[in-house]
Amino acid sequence: QQQVKQSPQSLIVQKGGISIINCAYENTAFDYFPWYQQFPGKGPALLIAIRPDVSEKKEGRFTISFNKSAKQFSLHIMDSQPGDSATYFCAASKNNDMRFGAGTRLTVKP
Amino acid sequence: EAGVAQSPRYKIIEKRQSVAFWCNPISGHATLYWYQQILGQGPKLLIQFQNNGVVDDSQLPKDRFSAERLKGVDSTLKIQPAKLEDSAVYLCASSLMVAGFYEQYFGPGTRLTVT
Repeated sequence: QQQVKQSPQSLIVQKGGISIINCAYENTAFDYFPWYQQFPGKGPALLIAIRPDVSEKKEGRFTISFNKSAKQFSLHIMDSQPGDSATYFCAASKNNDMRFGAGTRLTVKP
Repeated sequence: EAGVAQSPRYKIIEKRQSVAFWCNPISGHATLYWYQQILGQGPKLLIQFQNNGVVDDSQLPKDRFSAERLKGVDSTLKIQPAKLEDSAVYLCASSLMVAGFYEQYFGPGTRLTVT
């Protein structure tokens, strides 16, 4: 069952541009929404996370926007750099039961 | 702080053979997870342990997969017999509760190829 839908599957952005990845969830019981970054040959690494009681969270160049009524959240990467090229996964969790999106492969061109 | 350790990193076996993966979580993390990540997909939970007890194994194919976490620290995941569709990366994660939420930390994974 796909409880978290992620788009796009792949994204190409020029250096310095903004990367935007979107996710939608179905289960309104989810109460924790993390984003993971995964480089080839490595495990996913926690990037940033948000709870549904806030609409936005910013950490450096990374921002999560959260729309509870629409059951959607997105990751914005400002001033994208080639080093940001990786696969990004959104996830949604309730009581430590975490469901992942299918991932977005981001390529940032120099 | 040392991260989640997994071994081996790579394994190639023939179908119907057996294989075992090992995971050592971050020290002090009571919760341990095994995920299966098929190429092009997000991780899918196979089993979750709290200390040495199973919390959730609803998506573990129990006819061929087994896992244990003796003494509540290290864990092993076994597949016997393997099928072609088991080719995937097997990720181990452990978690720590931070401000009421569980932050999961992943190991590098074991890439399994079944031929």
